Amino acid sequence: DTEVTQTPKHLVMGMTNKKSLKCEQHMGHRAMYWYKQKAKKPPELMFVYSYEKLSINESVPSRFSPECPNSSLLNLHLHALQPEDSALYLCASSQGLLRRTSGNTIYFGEGSWLTVV
Amino acid sequence: RKEVEQDPGPFNVPEGATVAFNCTYSNSASQSFFWYRQDCRKEPKLLMSVYSSGNEDGRFTAQLNRASQYISLLIRDSKLSDSATYLCVVNPRGETGNQFYFGTGTSLTVIP
Repeated sequence: DTEVTQTPKHLVMGMTNKKSLKCEQHMGHRAMYWYKQKAKKPPELMFVYSYEKLSINESVPSRFSPECPNSSLLNLHLHALQPEDSALYLCASSQGLLRRTSGNTIYFGEGSWLTVV
Repeated sequence: RKEVEQDPGPFNVPEGATVAFNCTYSNSASQSFFWYRQDCRKEPKLLMSVYSSGNEDGRFTAQLNRASQYISLLIRDSKLSDSATYLCVVNPRGETGNQFYFGTGTSLTVIP
């Protein structure tokens, strides 16, 4: 079973709604990620937080707003989304080592299925 | 050039067959290598890490060739339950160490 938990598992929202996706991990990992995945495509990186600071933003539209309240939690705030934003949103975490003395492995949550209507 | 290149398949093989997937990566400084398995409508799950010496886990064998910058996954005695998409993942060194590069995934269907 995954040690990265995501809620909700399914979300349907209108284009004017504001909603949030939530993610939690208790593995002591210091890097957390949001990925977006469309059908038959690999996960596409959106954001990376390292030690609770945003370290990578892959030019994601501002209608997606990440937040990292602490080292265990990661949120993705959604506002004014478009139908093409419908996808599986995956949260993940990794050791996030500042000094690379050993391997760094990424673990995924079960994902949140988002439908924008 | 993509960081990681992977043949998308699909691979359709009979039960009991041996099947191999390859993946190439462009950054020679890459440090860690993985194979993930993703079932339909599920999240990617770590299948195995890939080490220079090669590693085996039951019917699965992973190999890394640093000189040619490719990794491989061999599945022996394929089972119906092996049907999934297999993702090759590469993690570079240094400051980008929290970045993971994904191949496009290879689709495998094992046929009765």
